[in-house]
Amino acid sequence: QKEVEQNSGPLSVPEGAIASLNCTYSDRVSQSFFWYRQYSGKSPELIMSIYSNGDKEDGRFTAQLNKASQYVSLLIRDSQPSDSATYLCAVARRGYQKVTFGTGTKLQVIP
Amino acid sequence: DAGVTQSPTHLIKTRGQQVTLRCSPKSGHDTVSWYQQALGQGPQFIFQYYEEEERQRGNFPDRFSGHQFPNYSSELNVNALWLGDSALYLCASSAGYSSYEQYFGPGTRLTVT
Repeated sequence: QKEVEQNSGPLSVPEGAIASLNCTYSDRVSQSFFWYRQYSGKSPELIMSIYSNGDKEDGRFTAQLNKASQYVSLLIRDSQPSDSATYLCAVARRGYQKVTFGTGTKLQVIP
Repeated sequence: DAGVTQSPTHLIKTRGQQVTLRCSPKSGHDTVSWYQQALGQGPQFIFQYYEEEERQRGNFPDRFSGHQFPNYSSELNVNALWLGDSALYLCASSAGYSSYEQYFGPGTRLTVT
């Protein structure tokens, strides 16, 4: 079982729709969760971090965390073509500095 | 405010050679982590440096080594290069050893032939 699992996609959504990206993790001791956006040929960019169960909103982005189900999601409202990128879910375990990344989900927003 | 910088941008080496990659952290950051990202994969943690010491290491062989300097900049050294070492090498910096919020540099694309 992979430590962090994501559907590789591509996930295609029309412009203006809500994109929903999902991630599961295997280590119950994980305490910190992150979403990074990576454009093709570029480095990852941190867009959201979440540490507690529930929702966290930042502009058009909402991160959702359910530790009991070991599940993290990212919602992107009013999706724009500029949101087309690979979204990486990352997890850090309590007491360890290592951040473990999933393989990423490729999102395509169709104009 | 300068972000994370890395050099060189691209590098081509031959199997068996050695390579050194360099990273300067974002202003105000003192912790540097190195990652390897193969094509189509997520970044894989190599190791982290804080206070000039390697604090944690991922599942990488001893051919991968590093260093952190008093100004917080860092180097990644890879000896005896394999074809499989071809990847994007990313440096990420953060403020403080306990911070997980990392900011990535543009990366160094290493090709081993």
